[in-house]
Parts: sequence; C-alpha cells; structure tokens
Amino acid sequence: DVKVTQSSRYLVKRTGEKVFLECVQDMDHENMFWYRQDPGLGLRLIYFSYDVKMKEKGDIPEGYSVSREKKERFSLILESASTNQTSMYLCASSLMDGYQETQYFGPGTRLLVL
Amino acid sequence: QKEVEQNSGPLSVPEGAIASLNCTYSDRVSQSFFWYRQYSGKSPELIMSIYSNGDKEDGRFTAQLNKASQYVSLLIRDSQPSDSATYLCAVKTRYGNKLVFGAGTILRVKS
Repeated sequence: DVKVTQSSRYLVKRTGEKVFLECVQDMDHENMFWYRQDPGLGLRLIYFSYDVKMKEKGDIPEGYSVSREKKERFSLILESASTNQTSMYLCASSLMDGYQETQYFGPGTRLLVL
Repeated sequence: QKEVEQNSGPLSVPEGAIASLNCTYSDRVSQSFFWYRQYSGKSPELIMSIYSNGDKEDGRFTAQLNKASQYVSLLIRDSQPSDSATYLCAVKTRYGNKLVFGAGTILRVKS
C-alpha cells in the first residue's frame, strides 16, 4: 500500500511566522503535490514536483514555496503566514505513469493562522 | 466556466437506493478521470479511475464516461449510510501531470 505521511495533523501559527509543512512518501514516487482545500472551492494545486530539486507552480503559488531535496520528501513553506492561509493542506504523490497516473493523498494538515 | 463542475448537493438517497453523481469537464482532450471519496475531516481516497468511453464496474461502484458529451458519472448501487461522504471528480488535463478537481458533491444516505 502507498503511504503518504504529513508531519502534523493540526497546527496553530501566528501571522508573520514562517511555517514548514512536511510530506513523506514511501513508494518511490516521482511526482509529489501540495494542495489546499477550502469549503466550496475544492482542492487547489499550490506546487508540484516531478523530480528531486524540480518544482512547478500550480494554480495558487503566491505566498508559498517548496523544497524537494530527496525523492521521498516534499516540503511546503509559508514564508510569512497570513490569516488567509488558514486551510487544510493536503500532500499527494504519484508514479510517473502517463495518463493512468493516480495520486494518493496524505492525511492532511489543518493549519490555523491567528 | 469552471474546468470541472459538480453539483454541490447535498444529494440525499435512502439506504439501498442507487446514488448517481455527475461531473462535467471543459477540456475536450482530457484523457483520465478519477472519483475520490472524502469523509469529513479526512483526506481523499481513490474509488475509481476511468480512461475509455463506457462503463467500468468495481463492486457496488460504476463509473461512466462519455467524452463526446464531456461528462463522467459515478453510480453507487445499494447505497449504505457508510457511503455518506463528499465525492470529488478529478480530471487529468492535457497539461502535464496536473489533476483538476471539482468542488465535490455531498452524498447523504439515510437509513
């Protein structure tokens, strides 16, 4: 079974803090993704990576950065947290498998920025 | 127009009935279609994937794809209260590895 883990289930941070969200997968997947999920808006892609040290902007990258130093680990960084970044953050990974590629999700991190 | 559209619901069905969830997409050349189930407070889990026109069955679940009409649906037979969740439709577009998700349909199965 694919296992994607995220470092925290719940986080409370203050405005202006630098926030690190960690994601680790154990299935040697090339692709990793960070989404945020908000009521009524569904999942929105923040960043993704298809290889170590590679990253691509998703649909809403502003205010975020990412790091992928090892294949199994993909970090999301909020450089200066703001209240509008309060959300559920979901990490996913997938094999590079053409159009049949399937994404598997971690348990999510619910972030509250005060 | 949103790239992937779903009726937000809630869709309420009695236990034992067939639940029908629908999704439309805008990118005509999309190739891959996925249905995820998400329980409240949990992350999405894959239920079905479909790539060719027609029906694909897996247990109580059937995915239907009609590329000409640009819609994909999920049928749940013999609905159970444990099927109550939000169902997310996801479409892989022509643009690389990105999945585009609909906002989800809330399903409530009443016993």
